[in-house]
Amino acid sequence: DGGITQSPKYLFRKEGQNVTLSCEQNLNHDAMYWYRQDPGQGLRLIYYSQIVNDFQKGDIAEGYSVSREKKESFPLTVTSAQKNPTAFYLCASTMTSGTGELFFGEGSRLTVL
Amino acid sequence: EDKVVQSPLSLVVHEGDTVTLNCSYEVTNFRSLLWYKQEKKAPTFLFMLTSSGIEKKSGRLSSILDKKELFSILNITATQTGDSAVYLCAVLLYNNNDMRFGAGTRLTVKP
Repeated sequence: DGGITQSPKYLFRKEGQNVTLSCEQNLNHDAMYWYRQDPGQGLRLIYYSQIVNDFQKGDIAEGYSVSREKKESFPLTVTSAQKNPTAFYLCASTMTSGTGELFFGEGSRLTVL
Repeated sequence: EDKVVQSPLSLVVHEGDTVTLNCSYEVTNFRSLLWYKQEKKAPTFLFMLTSSGIEKKSGRLSSILDKKELFSILNITATQTGDSAVYLCAVLLYNNNDMRFGAGTRLTVKP
């Protein structure tokens, strides 16, 4: 089945540790996105990538890093520089030549202890 | 600065009620407006609206866009407990396929 797979679904981290969230899609979408969701704030864009080996910062990129070495994969690293990393992270993808509708993964909930 | 504002932020109704959720926007390079339903995890797509005045319907849900007044509404008639969710409004921009989300409306439908 085609879709977007995020892992892990739940993750606990100690302060000062980096953690990488995985996002894989088999929809042949060229654009991929990472959003952060906090209660009462909707979705905020962290990073996005329209093509392999290229990505752009979103509104809240500080403390995060990404890579796009393959079309199917867009991992997000939450670094120790991110001051408030506890949140729900959503990965999404779309065809840039399509309608623009985003398809979402199931999300990863990160808790910093 | 591009922004999308949803209201109300939360709403509690009883089964059978009709609800109207609002979304207003101020953006540059508007391409389309989308509604998503988020129950526990991944938002699921409901509607995409590009033209003013054309109502989109899916069962008990309907939505319409007003590009002059810069808002959209999502109506749900004869609500059911399964409609309980966060409803997200998003505006898709032409530049880089950027999508701006509102804060969402949390709808709770009581039996």
